Amino acid sequence: KAGVTQTPRYLIKTRGQQVTLSCSPISGHRSVSWYQQTPGQGLQFLFEYFSETQRNKGNFPGRFSGRQFSNSRSEMNVSTLELGDSALYLCASSLGTGGANTGELFFGEGSRLTVL
Amino acid sequence: ILNVEQSPQSLHVQEGDSTNFTCSFPSSNFYALHWYRWETAKSPEALFVMTLNGDEKKKGRISATLNTKEGYSYLYIKGSQPEDSATYLCAFSAPGNQFYFGTGTSLTVIP
Repeated sequence: KAGVTQTPRYLIKTRGQQVTLSCSPISGHRSVSWYQQTPGQGLQFLFEYFSETQRNKGNFPGRFSGRQFSNSRSEMNVSTLELGDSALYLCASSLGTGGANTGELFFGEGSRLTVL
Repeated sequence: ILNVEQSPQSLHVQEGDSTNFTCSFPSSNFYALHWYRWETAKSPEALFVMTLNGDEKKKGRISATLNTKEGYSYLYIKGSQPEDSATYLCAFSAPGNQFYFGTGTSLTVIP
């Protein structure tokens, strides 16, 4: 069974530009979450989508947005890039069903963004 | 925002040594505690998910325990091998599929 696929794997942008990252979850998974990792920080939760609806949102500015399509693929967008947005962005998929979720997250290999 | 803390931040051990790390999390409104293993240039992979106080899980030489009343979990590696070198992450999950990760413990096993 194919894993979580993230594209692009690496990209370089300049301040003020915008970027779109893509994530294809494992087939059958309806939940897609996005995380940011910067040096010295743990994985910071950005948002989670389930069945095309944003179900949870972390503490990030409005420049960070996302969406999910009917096939569960998800994109995240960062507008007006800042130097501090340089990070590894990880996407994770899971079944996402159930109230008190105890499900396993399956991660992609990440998209490494460098902002110059 | 839930605070999940891991210690130590990093450690180096000799091949064959046993080691353990700690994850601390809020003890109120507990749902689940997860351990992930993250090798360099790969994706984080789930090791364990634990939900009940006193849970103990084991996978080969790696095991984990959970104390939800005092808010901590231990991960143990017995007889460390170089292939165990990785960052070990713990995460506290809340309702609605929201995970709060610690900063991880970076383990280097020296042959």
